[in-house]
Amino acid sequence: AQKVTQAQTEISVVEKEDVTLDCVYETRDTTYYLFWYKQPPSGELVFLIRRNSFDEQNEISGRYSWNFQKSTSSFNFTITASQVVDSAVYFCALSEASDLGRKLVFGAGTILRVKS
Amino acid sequence: GAGVSQSPRYKVAKRGQDVALRCDPISGHVSLFWYQQALGQGPEFLTYFQNEAQLDKSGLPSDRFFAERPEGSVSTLKIQRTQQEDSAVYLCASSPRTSGGQNIQYFGAGTRLSVL
Repeated sequence: AQKVTQAQTEISVVEKEDVTLDCVYETRDTTYYLFWYKQPPSGELVFLIRRNSFDEQNEISGRYSWNFQKSTSSFNFTITASQVVDSAVYFCALSEASDLGRKLVFGAGTILRVKS
Repeated sequence: GAGVSQSPRYKVAKRGQDVALRCDPISGHVSLFWYQQALGQGPEFLTYFQNEAQLDKSGLPSDRFFAERPEGSVSTLKIQRTQQEDSAVYLCASSPRTSGGQNIQYFGAGTRLSVL
């Protein structure tokens, strides 16, 4: 069965610090997709990134970067030079290609608090 | 509209009442999903539509939960005889294509249901 674990319940940092959010997943599929979403206080989940299981290349987008390692079943997310606006709940999610509905299975989320 | 719209944003119900939650997906999006998010948890899948067809309802917690999308656009999630354990945020998401786990799901802001 598919499962996503975000072991960090809450992280607090001071503005301009770098922070890494951990995500570990479990799946029996060889083809799967990994996602990160951001949930600000408004409640709407905002898509950040999608990765497929065949592409282990790390990705950087501005202050955001993602490290996908199949050997450790991890898909970690790093924010460089954090800002107060980064404060939110971040969710890692998994979707399996064999699943008819392509549903997302989410981790429990990590609350990130960035203090000025 | 520009994004996924859900109404009402907040709903208070007395135990035993029926409620109906509405989702307007992004125009033209074929796939529609419902998720339930308990306080402090990640969203959990409820059901999936491809156009008007409900292809997966494996996540619905009981037969009190019913969803429909009669014309392949707007969807309604109905909960009959609400119980306190139904209190949660109900999120709707849509995606543009019928298949492929790589599809990105775009979320609405959710309906927060409180059952007293």
